[in-house]
Amino acid sequence: QKEVEQNSGPLSVPEGAIASLNCTYSDRGSQSFFWYRQYSGKSPELIMFIYSNGDKEDGRFTAQLNKASQYVSLLIRDSQPSDSATYLCAVQTGGSYIPTFGRGTSLIVHP
Amino acid sequence: SAVISQKPSRDICQRGTSLTIQCQVDSQVTMMFWYRQQPGQSLTLIATANQGSEATYESGFVIDKFPISRPNLTFSTLTVSNMSPEDSSIYLCSVGAPTGSGNTIYFGEGSWLTVV
Repeated sequence: QKEVEQNSGPLSVPEGAIASLNCTYSDRGSQSFFWYRQYSGKSPELIMFIYSNGDKEDGRFTAQLNKASQYVSLLIRDSQPSDSATYLCAVQTGGSYIPTFGRGTSLIVHP
Repeated sequence: SAVISQKPSRDICQRGTSLTIQCQVDSQVTMMFWYRQQPGQSLTLIATANQGSEATYESGFVIDKFPISRPNLTFSTLTVSNMSPEDSSIYLCSVGAPTGSGNTIYFGEGSWLTVV
């Protein structure tokens, strides 16, 4: 059973702070990792993906991957109220062509 | 990424009826999928829509309840049959694009169904 675990939250951070969203996964054979953002009443949209250990930065977003610890995180710098949404982690193993999604973490950025 | 359009975007359906959701992609894609997202839950894959052949269903989903068509590389439909309130959910059409060692999933706007 492939599992992707996320704290459901809500995670509440003040505007301008760094929001840290975490995700753990059970399958050591996992190779591709994705973060999606889902606003209330909308469908998920891809933020970024990461394959290699370490950090990957894209604007205010940084994905961090540690395969030894089976852990992937998303950092949002200078958080804005418009970042308030549910963030979904998705993990794909090499043996599957589709990812497994976590339940998502609700993020609230308050002014 | 491809533009994925779904119809209807929302509907309120009577118990026992069936509804067909249409998904149109603006470019030819090999991989198309249908997901369900029940209230407060994560995304659950219903099936892979295969062009010119029967869909491949995930455990817990059957063709009689969720018949899927895919006549070409840009279009697919999902029917939710004999609906009950438990079928109230967001239904998402998605496409897969090869990215590095995996496939990145892109979603359509979703169809919000409420069964009363």
